[in-house]
Amino acid sequence: AQSVTQLGSHVSVSEGALVLLRCNYSSSVPPYLFWYVQYPNQGLQLLLKYTSAATLVKGINGFEAEFKKSETSFHLTKPSAHMSDAAEYFCAVYNQGGKLIFGQGTELSVKP
Amino acid sequence: NAGVTQTPKFQVLKTGQSMTLQCAQDMNHNSMYWYRQDPGMGLRLIYYSASEGTTDKGEVPNGYNVSRLNKREFSLRLESAAPSQTSVYFCASSGQFSSNYGYTFGSGTRLTVV
Repeated sequence: AQSVTQLGSHVSVSEGALVLLRCNYSSSVPPYLFWYVQYPNQGLQLLLKYTSAATLVKGINGFEAEFKKSETSFHLTKPSAHMSDAAEYFCAVYNQGGKLIFGQGTELSVKP
Repeated sequence: NAGVTQTPKFQVLKTGQSMTLQCAQDMNHNSMYWYRQDPGMGLRLIYYSASEGTTDKGEVPNGYNVSRLNKREFSLRLESAAPSQTSVYFCASSGQFSSNYGYTFGSGTRLTVV
C-alpha cells in the first residue's frame, strides 16, 4: 500500500534561508506525488505535483521538489524563505485505490 | 469563483447532538471526499463518493454518514456527536484525471464538541 512519511513535524528557518521539508514515500508502483500548503485557517492549496514527466518539479511561490527513486524521496525546497511561507505543508501520494493519502504534515515557521 | 464551498465554517455542538456538514462543488467533478484533520495526524479520509449515487468508507468512517445528493453536493452527518469528533473537516473534489491534478479543497469546517 502506498504511504508517505514527513520527517519533522515542525521546521523553523530564518527569513532568506533555505527551506527543506522532507517527504519519503512507499509505493510498489510508480507514484503520483503531491505537495499541498495550508495557510492559517484556510483549506489546502496544491503547491506542486510529480506525475513522472520530470524528476525536478517546479511549483508556485518559488517552491520545487525533486523525485529521487533511489531514495524514495520527494523533498520540498525553496532557496530563500519569506515570512509569507509560514504555513503547514503536506506531502501526499495517490494510491492504487484512487485516493490521496497524506503525510502527517510539517509546520514551517519563518523567523525575521 | 469556481471551487468547493463548505458550510458552516465554525460549529460548536454538545455531546449527543447531531448536525450535517454541507459541501458543494461547481467544477463538474465526479468524485468527492470528506477528510478530517487532527494535529500530528495529517488528513484522514472519512468517506468518499466516486460518482453520483455511490459512497464508500474511508479510513475513519465510524460515527459518520454521508449523502451524495447530486453531482454537486456531498454532505457529512454526525448523528450523535462525541468529543473525539472535534476536528477540522475538509471536503474535496476531483475530476477525471485526479492522478495528474490532485484534489480541490474547501476552506474547512471547524467543529468543536463539548
